[in-house]
Amino acid sequence: DVKVTQSSRYLVKRTGEKVFLECVQDMDHENMFWYRQDPGLGLRLIYFSYDVKMKEKGDIPEGYSVSREKKERFSLILESASTNQTSMYLCASTRDRASGANVLTFGAGSRLTVL
Amino acid sequence: QQQVKQSPQSLIVQKGGISIINCAYENTAFDYFPWYQQFPGKGPALLIAIRPDVSEKKEGRFTISFNKSAKQFSLHIMDSQPGDSATYFCAASNRGGSNYKLTFGKGTLLTVNP
Repeated sequence: DVKVTQSSRYLVKRTGEKVFLECVQDMDHENMFWYRQDPGLGLRLIYFSYDVKMKEKGDIPEGYSVSREKKERFSLILESASTNQTSMYLCASTRDRASGANVLTFGAGSRLTVL
Repeated sequence: QQQVKQSPQSLIVQKGGISIINCAYENTAFDYFPWYQQFPGKGPALLIAIRPDVSEKKEGRFTISFNKSAKQFSLHIMDSQPGDSATYFCAASNRGGSNYKLTFGKGTLLTVNP
């Protein structure tokens, strides 16, 4: 069964800490995404990547950065965590652009609490 | 900013009833409209999707109705079951642009009472 795996389901961090959220997919997908999910706000795109070492800003990139050194791995980085970054973070992947298919496969999510 | 507006925010339906969730979009370049279903503790998963060349698509108890002129689409769940209780997200994308980038609605929490 193909999947997207997020290494941490629950994290608790202090304000100002650097936070790494890791995501790995085993489907050889070209495109990977990070979303945050908040009640009443739905899914908001933070960053996405369509190739190794490539990245593009989504709708809410402020306070975040990403890294994609290998095709299967996409990391979300909070350089200095703040309380307003307390949220559920969802990683997703999809096949290549040329296929015309953009069915997202999501991980189970990482719930981050910043104190 | 591209938007997809979803309503209602929450919905309570009795077992056997019909659940209806509506979405409206602004960008006429959108040409792919999926619905995602999310159970507690899980990530969203594709439920059903439609392209604008058809007005309706049915898969089992789930039907998407699409009105291109009104720029609206809706999800109908017939004979709703307690197992359908989940959060539902509509979404839209433009395959001619960043076709792998979906714009999501804010979600509808569906509760089906036994």
